[in-house]
Order: sequence, then C-alpha cells, then structure tokens
Amino acid sequence: QVQLQESGPGLVKPSETLSLTCTVSIGSISTYYWNWIRQPPGKGLEWIGYIYYSGDSKYNPSLKSRVTISVEASRNQFSLRLNSVTAADTAVYYCARGWGSTSPMDVWGKGTAVTVSS
Amino acid sequence: QSVLTQPPSASGTPGQRVTISCSGSSSNIGSHIVNWYQQFPGTAPKLLIYNIDRRPSGVPDRFSGSKSGTSASLAISGLQSEDEADYYCAAWDASLNGRVFGGGTKLTVL
Repeated sequence: QVQLQESGPGLVKPSETLSLTCTVSIGSISTYYWNWIRQPPGKGLEWIGYIYYSGDSKYNPSLKSRVTISVEASRNQFSLRLNSVTAADTAVYYCARGWGSTSPMDVWGKGTAVTVSS
Repeated sequence: QSVLTQPPSASGTPGQRVTISCSGSSSNIGSHIVNWYQQFPGTAPKLLIYNIDRRPSGVPDRFSGSKSGTSASLAISGLQSEDEADYYCAAWDASLNGRVFGGGTKLTVL
C-alpha cells in the first residue's frame, strides 16, 4: 500500500518561502498525479496544485503567482514551494495521489502543520 | 467562499438516514465527476465516494452518492456514532481549471 509523508519546517517567517517535500513510499511516483492541498485552522480544504511525474503541472489560480510544484522521480519525491508567505498561509499541508488530473485523490499523507509567524 | 456550497452542519440520531447536499455549477458538478471525502478531527481526509456513487474498498454500503444536474448528495443510512465527522464534496472546475471543494459539513450524531 503506497504511503505519503510530508516533511519540512513547521515555522516560516512572513515574506519568506515555504518549502515542503512529500515522499512516496511502497510504490512508484510514475503514472499518477501528485497533489498539494491545505487546510487553515478550523477551515475547509483548498487545492494548491498538482504535478505529473513527467513534470506537467497545474495550480490553483488564486495561488498560481506564488506556487511552484516540482518532482524528483529518482527519489520518489515531489515538492511544494510557496513564496512571499503571510499569516493567511498558516495551515496543515497535505500531499495526495490522484489517479488522473481530474480524478479523485485516493491516498493522502498525514499532513504537516505550517505556521507563518515572525 | 467555496466554489461548491454545502450546509455547514447536519445531524441525525443513530439508525437514521441523513443526506448532505453539494451545490455547484455547469463548470464543475454539471460536467465533471463528484467525489466525497470524510475527515475526522486531527486526521487527513479519506476518499469516501468517487465518480458520483462508487465506494473505495472498505467503505460501508451505508454510504452512497448521487448527482442531479449541478447538485450532488451524500447519503448515510443506518447512521452510527462513528460517522460523526466532517464531509467534503469535490470536483474539477473547467472554468477555474482546477480542483474545487465544498466548505465542508460537520455531521453530528445525536
């Protein structure tokens, strides 16, 4: 059973860059779409974007100017970079696998909490 | 403000049947599949229903989904205390060219 694990700093300063990595274990990163989703405290889910193992990516229009998702297939990892963060970016960040670009996300990581604060 | 609209809360007593609605538009629910996710406090969401009415392995058949036009519904029959959770609908939105979620519905079992 494929497993996903998010990793990265739990605290980021305002205006800096948030960087997270998702490691895919017990499975290949090939042939799936790899997503990032976030959930601010006490709020709902927000899709950030996805990347295909080949490098094709798509982002939420509301975050597109600040987001980059990349993949390192040889390490079975994909990463999220979010620039110029503010307190509004404080959230639990999840990585998740999608069968296709518009398909459901069937495997999720446990999530990692990121706080933006000086 | 979420693109898909869900009631913020729903409730029922054990054994009852409850439904949770999800309203969208022609660019999302009206033209793409709807999926539902279940989330318990402090845990990651779990895929509950996909492709409108299909259940992943391990999901009880008490859970069912449906769609009509630009709206979708999640039904839970034989409500149990362990069903108390947050439920989110989701779909692809062709206008936004991205995934969209509902705001979530907190289900309370009385």
